[in-house]
Amino acid sequence: QKEVEQNSGPLSVPEGAIASLNCTYSDRGSQSFFWYRQYSGKSPELIMSIYSNGDKEDGRFTAQLNKASQYVSLLIRDSQPSDSATYLCAVRSTGFQKLVFGTGTRLLVSP
Amino acid sequence: GAVVSQHPSRVICKSGTSVKIECRSLDFQATTMFWYRQFPKQSLMLMATSNEGSKATYEQGVEKDKFLINHASLTLSTLTVTSAHPEDSSFYICSANWDRDSNQPQHFGDGTRLSIL
Repeated sequence: QKEVEQNSGPLSVPEGAIASLNCTYSDRGSQSFFWYRQYSGKSPELIMSIYSNGDKEDGRFTAQLNKASQYVSLLIRDSQPSDSATYLCAVRSTGFQKLVFGTGTRLLVSP
Repeated sequence: GAVVSQHPSRVICKSGTSVKIECRSLDFQATTMFWYRQFPKQSLMLMATSNEGSKATYEQGVEKDKFLINHASLTLSTLTVTSAHPEDSSFYICSANWDRDSNQPQHFGDGTRLSIL
């Protein structure tokens, strides 16, 4: 069983729509959660981090965490073609330094 | 914000060559650095965790004699791919934490694209 699961996509949304990216994780001891964006041929860049249940907003991005359901999501409002990329969910458990990554969801935003 | 610099960005070399990749933390001291490999259209695969002043911890299936890691200072870790072969061609990416026990995210370098002919 994978530790961090994401739908590989592609998730296709029209420009201006809300894109919803989902991630589930298996380790209940997980404490830190991150969303990274990776453009083709580039390294990942941090979009959001979230540590407690609820929503965290940063510009057009909102991360949502539900530890009881072991679920973390990323909402992108007013999606732009430049948002087209692979979005990686990463989870860190307490006492561990390394991140466990999902396989990523490919997002396509059409003009 | 935190910046991680990786060098070189691209290497093309003949089979049998050893290749060294450097990862530097530019504005913070990184007690821990991580080395990943990514094949086309696949996710990141953690190869090893590099701790300053101690031996690296390798993930299962990664040959430590093939992928030599040195983390001699708080700002530099190196990965050497020894006697590289075409199957070692991949995108190698490093990342860094600045606090061993921190909740802070990892910051990634720009990656090194290695092509072995």
